[in-house]
Amino acid sequence: GNSVTQMEGPVTLSEEAFLTINCTYTATGYPSLFWYVQYPGEGLQLLLKATKADDKGSNKGFEATYRKETTSFHLEKGSVQVSDSAVYFCALNFNKFYFGSGTKLNVKP
Amino acid sequence: NAGVTQTPKFQVLKTGQSMTLQCAQDMNHNSMYWYRQDPGMGLRLIYYSASEGTTDKGEVPNGYNVSRLNKREFSLRLESAAPSQTSVYFCASSEAFAGALNTEAFFGQGTRLTVV
Repeated sequence: GNSVTQMEGPVTLSEEAFLTINCTYTATGYPSLFWYVQYPGEGLQLLLKATKADDKGSNKGFEATYRKETTSFHLEKGSVQVSDSAVYFCALNFNKFYFGSGTKLNVKP
Repeated sequence: NAGVTQTPKFQVLKTGQSMTLQCAQDMNHNSMYWYRQDPGMGLRLIYYSASEGTTDKGEVPNGYNVSRLNKREFSLRLESAAPSQTSVYFCASSEAFAGALNTEAFFGQGTRLTVV
């Protein structure tokens, strides 16, 4: 079947630290992959996406590369800010959306 | 462009009461979803509708019913609310057929439901 597994949180970092949130997936075909972000009290919004192997999605300094060989789509940012504190969800679309369990990021000043 | 609109935003129910959560999208999407989000549990799919006229159970359908009224609207009904249904409920829509897998899911702002 199809599923998404992401690292458990919370992840606590100091401002300007490097961020990695791991995401791996299982799919019966060739899905598209997404990262969503949820700020406190809000719904989920798209952060970035990649639609085929070796594609790199990027937005607001965040990046993730679609790795078919390792079935991964890890989220990275070189220098986090306090305003990046949120919950991050990895997801795939293969006839239906499948979401990971979410990783809460806390960035301290 | 409103996107996905959910009503109400907040609701308090007594155990045993019923209510319907409304969701409408204006993006002409075929697929619509209802999720619940509990602390530390991420998103759990309650029901989804791949197209107008079809609905399917997700991970946690017990205690809920849905209606895909038309292409725009997908409602979630709690027939007899229980404290375990206290949660934040999100509606989402997307295209998910083979030729549109690169399209994202769009979410509503959520309904915060408390059952006392």
